[in-house]
Amino acid sequence: NAGVMQNPRHLVRRRGQEARLRCSPMKGHSHVYWYRQLPEEGLKFMVYLQKENIIDESGMPKERFSAEFPKEGPSILRIQQVVRGDSAAYFCASSPKGTAVPGYTFGSGTRLTVV
Amino acid sequence: KQEVTQIPAALSVPEGENLVLNCSFTDSAIYNLQWFRQDPGKGLTSLLLIQSSQREQTSGRLNASLDKSSGRSTLYIAASQPGDSATYLCALVWDTGKLIFGQGTTLQVKP
Repeated sequence: NAGVMQNPRHLVRRRGQEARLRCSPMKGHSHVYWYRQLPEEGLKFMVYLQKENIIDESGMPKERFSAEFPKEGPSILRIQQVVRGDSAAYFCASSPKGTAVPGYTFGSGTRLTVV
Repeated sequence: KQEVTQIPAALSVPEGENLVLNCSFTDSAIYNLQWFRQDPGKGLTSLLLIQSSQREQTSGRLNASLDKSSGRSTLYIAASQPGDSATYLCALVWDTGKLIFGQGTTLQVKP
Protein backbone atom coordinates (compact mmCIF):
# COMPACT_ATOMS: atom_id res chain seq x y z
CA ASN A 1 0.00 0.00 0.00
CA ALA A 2 1.76 3.12 -1.22
CA GLY A 3 -0.13 5.53 1.02
CA VAL A 4 -1.61 8.80 -0.13
CA MET A 5 0.27 9.96 -3.22
CA GLN A 6 0.43 13.60 -4.17
CA ASN A 7 2.07 14.94 -7.28
CA PRO A 8 3.90 16.87 -8.21
CA ARG A 9 5.90 17.38 -5.02
CA HIS A 10 6.96 20.81 -6.18
CA LEU A 11 5.23 23.01 -8.73
CA VAL A 12 6.31 26.39 -10.03
CA ARG A 13 3.85 28.53 -11.94
CA ARG A 14 3.97 32.07 -13.28
CA ARG A 15 1.26 34.48 -12.29
CA GLY A 16 -1.83 33.94 -14.39
CA GLN A 17 -1.13 30.28 -15.18
CA GLU A 18 -3.16 27.32 -13.99
CA ALA A 19 -2.02 24.88 -11.33
CA ARG A 20 -3.34 21.31 -11.14
CA LEU A 21 -2.54 19.32 -8.03
CA ARG A 22 -3.27 15.61 -7.90
CA CYS A 23 -4.04 13.34 -4.98
CA SER A 24 -4.37 9.56 -5.22
CA PRO A 25 -5.97 8.24 -2.02
CA MET A 26 -4.98 5.04 -0.33
CA LYS A 27 -6.45 1.91 -1.82
CA GLY A 28 -9.99 1.42 -0.57
CA HIS A 29 -10.39 5.05 0.57
CA SER A 30 -13.25 6.94 -1.05
CA HIS A 31 -13.07 10.13 1.03
CA VAL A 32 -10.55 12.89 0.26
CA TYR A 33 -9.79 16.12 2.11
CA TRP A 34 -7.66 19.02 0.90
CA TYR A 35 -5.80 21.43 3.21
CA ARG A 36 -3.62 24.45 2.55
CA GLN A 37 -0.66 25.63 4.62
CA LEU A 38 0.35 29.20 3.87
CA PRO A 39 3.83 30.36 4.91
CA GLU A 40 3.96 31.03 8.65
CA GLU A 41 0.34 29.93 9.04
CA GLY A 42 -1.40 26.80 10.16
CA LEU A 43 -3.14 24.20 8.06
CA LYS A 44 -6.57 25.26 6.85
CA PHE A 45 -9.31 22.96 5.62
CA MET A 46 -10.35 23.61 2.03
CA VAL A 47 -12.70 20.89 0.76
CA TYR A 48 -14.02 17.40 1.46
CA LEU A 49 -14.97 15.14 -1.42
CA GLN A 50 -16.33 11.67 -1.93
CA LYS A 51 -16.27 9.98 -5.30
CA GLU A 52 -18.04 12.30 -7.76
CA ASN A 53 -19.42 14.50 -4.96
CA ILE A 54 -18.30 17.62 -3.11
CA ILE A 55 -19.48 17.23 0.48
CA ASP A 56 -18.06 20.34 2.15
CA GLU A 57 -16.32 23.19 0.34
CA SER A 58 -16.62 25.73 3.12
CA GLY A 59 -12.87 26.42 3.11
CA MET A 60 -12.45 26.98 -0.60
CA PRO A 61 -11.79 30.51 -1.84
CA LYS A 62 -14.81 31.74 -3.75
CA GLU A 63 -12.97 32.31 -7.00
CA ARG A 64 -10.32 30.52 -9.08
CA PHE A 65 -10.27 27.34 -6.96
CA SER A 66 -12.11 24.12 -7.77
CA ALA A 67 -11.81 20.48 -6.79
CA GLU A 68 -13.05 17.19 -8.14
CA PHE A 69 -12.82 13.52 -7.31
CA PRO A 70 -13.97 11.55 -10.35
CA LYS A 71 -15.19 7.99 -10.36
CA GLU A 72 -11.87 6.92 -11.84
CA GLY A 73 -8.52 8.55 -11.19
CA PRO A 74 -7.09 10.92 -8.62
CA SER A 75 -8.66 13.89 -6.93
CA ILE A 76 -7.66 17.18 -8.58
CA LEU A 77 -7.33 20.59 -6.95
CA ARG A 78 -7.30 23.22 -9.67
CA ILE A 79 -6.22 26.82 -9.24
CA GLN A 80 -6.85 29.11 -12.17
CA GLN A 81 -4.94 32.34 -12.83
CA VAL A 82 -2.59 31.83 -9.91
CA VAL A 83 -1.34 34.79 -7.88
CA ARG A 84 1.63 35.08 -5.52
CA GLY A 85 -0.66 34.63 -2.53
CA ASP A 86 -1.47 31.10 -3.69
CA SER A 87 2.09 30.02 -2.91
CA ALA A 88 1.69 27.42 -0.19
CA ALA A 89 1.90 23.74 0.63
CA TYR A 90 -1.24 21.85 -0.31
CA PHE A 91 -1.93 18.59 1.49
CA CYS A 92 -4.55 15.99 0.91
CA ALA A 93 -5.73 13.25 3.23
CA SER A 94 -7.85 10.21 2.61
CA SER A 95 -10.08 8.10 4.81
CA PRO A 96 -12.01 4.88 4.36
CA LYS A 97 -15.00 6.57 5.93
CA GLY A 98 -16.09 10.18 6.38
CA THR A 99 -14.60 10.28 9.86
CA ALA A 100 -11.14 10.54 11.33
CA VAL A 101 -10.86 6.85 12.05
CA PRO A 102 -7.43 5.28 12.34
CA GLY A 103 -6.35 5.14 8.75
CA TYR A 104 -6.98 8.80 8.05
CA THR A 105 -3.71 9.45 6.25
CA PHE A 106 -2.00 12.53 4.86
CA GLY A 107 0.10 12.78 1.74
CA SER A 108 3.47 14.52 1.67
CA GLY A 109 2.03 17.60 0.01
CA THR A 110 2.56 19.68 -3.09
CA ARG A 111 4.54 22.87 -2.63
CA LEU A 112 3.30 25.49 -5.05
CA THR A 113 5.46 28.49 -5.81
CA VAL A 114 4.03 31.31 -7.91
CA VAL A 115 6.65 33.55 -9.50
CA LYS B 1 -16.45 29.84 14.61
CA GLN B 2 -14.27 27.17 16.12
CA GLU B 3 -10.77 28.34 17.01
CA VAL B 4 -7.80 26.31 18.15
CA THR B 5 -4.89 27.89 20.00
CA GLN B 6 -1.57 26.26 20.77
CA ILE B 7 0.82 27.56 23.39
CA PRO B 8 3.74 28.03 23.28
CA ALA B 9 4.44 28.75 19.62
CA ALA B 10 8.01 27.56 20.07
CA LEU B 11 9.88 25.65 22.72
CA SER B 12 13.52 24.71 23.18
CA VAL B 13 14.53 22.18 25.82
CA PRO B 14 17.59 20.11 26.69
CA GLU B 15 17.52 16.41 25.93
CA GLY B 16 15.91 14.29 28.62
CA GLU B 17 13.44 16.89 29.83
CA ASN B 18 9.75 16.14 30.19
CA LEU B 19 7.53 18.70 28.50
CA VAL B 20 3.91 19.66 27.97
CA LEU B 21 2.35 21.20 24.89
CA ASN B 22 -0.99 22.93 25.25
CA CYS B 23 -4.00 23.18 22.97
CA SER B 24 -7.21 25.07 23.69
CA PHE B 25 -10.42 25.32 21.70
CA THR B 26 -13.54 27.42 21.88
CA ASP B 27 -16.32 24.89 21.32
CA SER B 28 -16.67 21.86 23.57
CA ALA B 29 -19.02 20.11 21.14
CA ILE B 30 -16.15 18.45 19.32
CA TYR B 31 -16.14 14.98 17.87
CA ASN B 32 -12.56 13.94 18.50
CA LEU B 33 -9.15 15.57 18.99
CA GLN B 34 -5.98 14.52 17.24
CA TRP B 35 -2.30 15.34 17.70
CA PHE B 36 0.06 15.33 14.72
CA ARG B 37 3.76 15.77 14.12
CA GLN B 38 5.11 17.65 11.10
CA ASP B 39 8.77 17.58 10.12
CA PRO B 40 10.15 20.40 7.94
CA GLY B 41 9.12 19.99 4.33
CA LYS B 42 7.18 16.83 5.10
CA GLY B 43 3.59 15.75 5.58
CA LEU B 44 1.77 15.03 8.81
CA THR B 45 2.15 11.99 11.00
CA SER B 46 -0.70 11.13 13.33
CA LEU B 47 0.47 10.66 16.92
CA LEU B 48 -2.64 10.20 19.03
CA LEU B 49 -6.38 10.34 18.42
CA ILE B 50 -8.61 10.98 21.45
CA GLN B 51 -12.26 10.28 20.96
CA SER B 52 -14.63 12.73 22.62
CA SER B 53 -15.74 10.13 25.15
CA GLN B 54 -12.15 9.51 26.25
CA ARG B 55 -9.97 11.55 28.55
CA GLU B 56 -6.54 10.43 27.44
CA GLN B 57 -4.48 8.27 25.09
CA THR B 58 -0.94 6.98 25.47
CA SER B 59 1.64 5.79 22.98
CA GLY B 60 5.16 5.13 24.18
CA ARG B 61 6.59 8.33 25.61
CA LEU B 62 3.56 10.35 24.53
CA ASN B 63 0.42 10.97 26.53
CA ALA B 64 -2.43 13.18 25.37
CA SER B 65 -5.30 14.31 27.56
CA LEU B 66 -8.62 15.88 26.70
CA ASP B 67 -10.86 18.02 28.93
CA LYS B 68 -13.86 19.04 26.89
CA SER B 69 -15.47 21.05 29.68
CA SER B 70 -12.52 23.43 29.85
CA GLY B 71 -11.74 23.24 26.14
CA ARG B 72 -8.20 21.98 26.62
CA SER B 73 -5.90 19.23 25.52
CA THR B 74 -2.29 18.61 26.47
CA LEU B 75 0.43 16.52 24.88
CA TYR B 76 2.99 15.25 27.35
CA ILE B 77 6.35 14.08 26.02
CA ALA B 78 8.51 12.17 28.48
CA ALA B 79 12.29 12.04 28.35
CA SER B 80 12.57 14.15 25.23
CA GLN B 81 15.10 13.25 22.53
CA PRO B 82 16.64 15.25 19.67
CA GLY B 83 14.56 13.14 17.27
CA ASP B 84 11.43 14.63 18.83
CA SER B 85 12.31 18.00 17.27
CA ALA B 86 9.41 18.90 14.97
CA THR B 87 6.23 20.95 14.86
CA TYR B 88 3.36 19.50 16.84
CA LEU B 89 -0.18 20.25 15.72
CA CYS B 90 -3.43 19.63 17.48
CA ALA B 91 -6.62 19.39 15.48
CA LEU B 92 -10.29 19.26 16.31
CA VAL B 93 -12.02 16.52 14.39
CA TRP B 94 -15.54 16.99 13.08
CA ASP B 95 -17.82 14.04 12.57
CA THR B 96 -17.28 14.33 8.81
CA GLY B 97 -13.53 13.93 9.24
CA LYS B 98 -12.82 17.63 8.63
CA LEU B 99 -9.94 18.86 10.80
CA ILE B 100 -9.52 22.30 12.36
CA PHE B 101 -5.85 22.84 13.18
CA GLY B 102 -4.02 25.00 15.66
CA GLN B 103 -0.97 26.99 14.58
CA GLY B 104 1.39 24.43 16.05
CA THR B 105 4.22 24.36 18.57
CA THR B 106 7.73 24.08 17.13
CA LEU B 107 9.85 22.00 19.45
CA GLN B 108 13.63 21.86 19.48
CA VAL B 109 15.33 19.30 21.71
CA LYS B 110 19.01 20.05 22.14
CA PRO B 111 21.50 17.21 22.61
